[in-house]
Amino acid sequence: QKEVEQNSGPLSVPEGAIASLNCTYSDRVSQSFFWYRQYSGKSPELIMSIYSNGDKEDGRFTAQLNKASQYVSLLIRDSQPSDSATYLCAVNGNNFNKFYFGSGTKLNVKP
Amino acid sequence: GAVVSQHPSWVICKSGTSVKIECRSLDFQATTMFWYRQFPKQSLMLMATSNEGSKATYEQGVEKDKFLINHASLTLSTLTVTSAHPEDSSFYICSAKIAGTFYEQYFGPGTRLTVT
Repeated sequence: QKEVEQNSGPLSVPEGAIASLNCTYSDRVSQSFFWYRQYSGKSPELIMSIYSNGDKEDGRFTAQLNKASQYVSLLIRDSQPSDSATYLCAVNGNNFNKFYFGSGTKLNVKP
Repeated sequence: GAVVSQHPSWVICKSGTSVKIECRSLDFQATTMFWYRQFPKQSLMLMATSNEGSKATYEQGVEKDKFLINHASLTLSTLTVTSAHPEDSSFYICSAKIAGTFYEQYFGPGTRLTVT
């Protein structure tokens, strides 16, 4: 079983719609959760971090964490073609230096 | 804040030669840096975790004698690909974590290595 699982996609949404990206993780003691965006040929860019249950909003992005269900999601409101990228979920366990990345979900936002 | 640089951004080398890639945290101290490799259309693969002043921890299947990592200061880690071969051609990305926290990793822009 992988530590972090994501649907590889592609997830296609029309411009202006809400894109919902999901991630599950296996280690119950995981403490920190991150979403990265990676454009083709570029390195990952941090867009959201979340540490406690509930929602965290930053502009058009909302991260949602449910530790009981071991589930973290990212909502992108008013999706734009420029949001088209691969979104990586990352989880940090109780070891400061151990991060686990999902394989990423490819998002296509169609004009 | 939290800027990580890498140098060079791309490099072409001949088979059998060695290549050094530098990773620097520009505005924070990073006791821990990570080195990743990414082949086209594939996910990130962690190669090793680099701790300042100590030996790197390599992931299973990564040859430590081929991929030499030195983390000599709180802001600099280097990866040397020794005796490079065409199959080592890849996108190498480093990241750094703010010292002593669970906090985020910040990625460098990556180095594209082509071995001819």
